[in-house]
Amino acid sequence: EVQLVESGGGFVQPGGSRRLSCVASGFPFSNYEMSWVRQAPGKGLEWVSYISSGGTSIYYADSVRGRFTISRDNVKNSLFLQMTTLRAEDTAVYYCARGVGGHDYGTNAFDIWGQGTMVTVSS
Amino acid sequence: DIVMTQSPDSLALSLGERATINCKSSQSVLYSSNKRNYLTWYQQKPGQPPKMLIYWASTRESGVPDRFSGAGSGTDFTLTISSLQAEDVAVYYCQQYYSSPPTFGQGTKVEIK
Repeated sequence: EVQLVESGGGFVQPGGSRRLSCVASGFPFSNYEMSWVRQAPGKGLEWVSYISSGGTSIYYADSVRGRFTISRDNVKNSLFLQMTTLRAEDTAVYYCARGVGGHDYGTNAFDIWGQGTMVTVSS
Repeated sequence: DIVMTQSPDSLALSLGERATINCKSSQSVLYSSNKRNYLTWYQQKPGQPPKMLIYWASTRESGVPDRFSGAGSGTDFTLTISSLQAEDVAVYYCQQYYSSPPTFGQGTKVEIK
């Protein structure tokens, strides 16, 4: 079964850090581009970050650039998001998503999504 | 960034009725080299992650019922549910993947009247 499972969410104080993980199974992880997409409570979807299949091309949304770092371990079929200097507006469910269909780096639709992990930034 | 605008924000229809959701992009998402529209539709039910329904603007994902169809080209797109079922209650999002960053519409909530 093709699956993405996120972990690492929780409560964190403003200015704090958190590391999210996503483990893939059921498909050749190293062949696929991956992204993190978030959804604030009651709001829509916001793309956060992208990483190419080999990890050499990386993009970030303006709202997180300089604070978040995406990475992957193709041996362990894992995707990561290191989040620092967290703000209240980063409170959201964070999804990892498999990218497909792009004609250039950073341009993907998302055909497989994890269940998400909730990050709450509050004092 | 390409701005995606959906309309309406919500709609309530009776079972069996036709639902039409519109999505407009601030610039064309038609790639001239392959004549493909880089536009996808997702369905998100409460408490669940989004699920891809349609890609390339009009190609149904495997396993998606044929009552769902996508149309349009360039900057104007529609998602149609030909006969609304109870299990179609959800929020629907369009997304462009023509250029980075990929961007989503604000969502359209579909309910049963």
